[in-house]
Amino acid sequence: GAVVSQHPSWVICKSGTSVKIECRSLDFQATTMFWYRQFPKQSLMLMATSNEGSKATYEQGVEKDKFLINHASLTLSTLTVTSAHPEDSSFYICSATQGPSGRGYEQYFGPGTRLTVT
Amino acid sequence: KNQVEQSPQSLIILEGKNCTLQCNYTVSPFSNLRWYKQDTGRGPVSLTIMTFSENTKSNGRYTATLDADTKQSSLHITASQLSDSASYICVVSLYNQGGKLIFGQGTELSVKP
Repeated sequence: GAVVSQHPSWVICKSGTSVKIECRSLDFQATTMFWYRQFPKQSLMLMATSNEGSKATYEQGVEKDKFLINHASLTLSTLTVTSAHPEDSSFYICSATQGPSGRGYEQYFGPGTRLTVT
Repeated sequence: KNQVEQSPQSLIILEGKNCTLQCNYTVSPFSNLRWYKQDTGRGPVSLTIMTFSENTKSNGRYTATLDADTKQSSLHITASQLSDSASYICVVSLYNQGGKLIFGQGTELSVKP
């Protein structure tokens, strides 16, 4: 099946610094990539949707200046958490798809990145 | 408001036993319903996808059902194994909403030897 990778899988950073997380579709070209965050014992919460070459669409309540998303190619999207604070500590998961899920296209999820801000 | 509710929140069963997880949804416009398995500290993995017209779909020991009239779905796991211990998430896809998925809270399944 299709594979989505994330890097790093685990990162610790100090409060006030920025962290970049990469999401790659390894064996297919993704028209759309999604970024989610997940707190312990909770389900995934969509943060933003990004299409290659376009500005990301952020969900209500998600600060676009804090969570910078760049979708540079059909196989790579990055999420940069700027000026990170301890409350940004979470599990960040990306997914990638070749078409709209509303038409039955699969969303392939990455393995996630555990961010801890100290 | 689009919502997906799952029950039970958590479940403990003995290895080899069967179990059924429930999902109720109020989502519009509905396109399809998916079940995912998420191991701790990992991303979700797809088990089944069902459209409006499909009543049941199997994937090995996993069998999902869908009743579009009552807006209910179930995931039945047969002959459970220790590796089935995970969170099972019911997800509904919106039609023509740019790929947006509505996630349930998940059922935490623990299979004991």
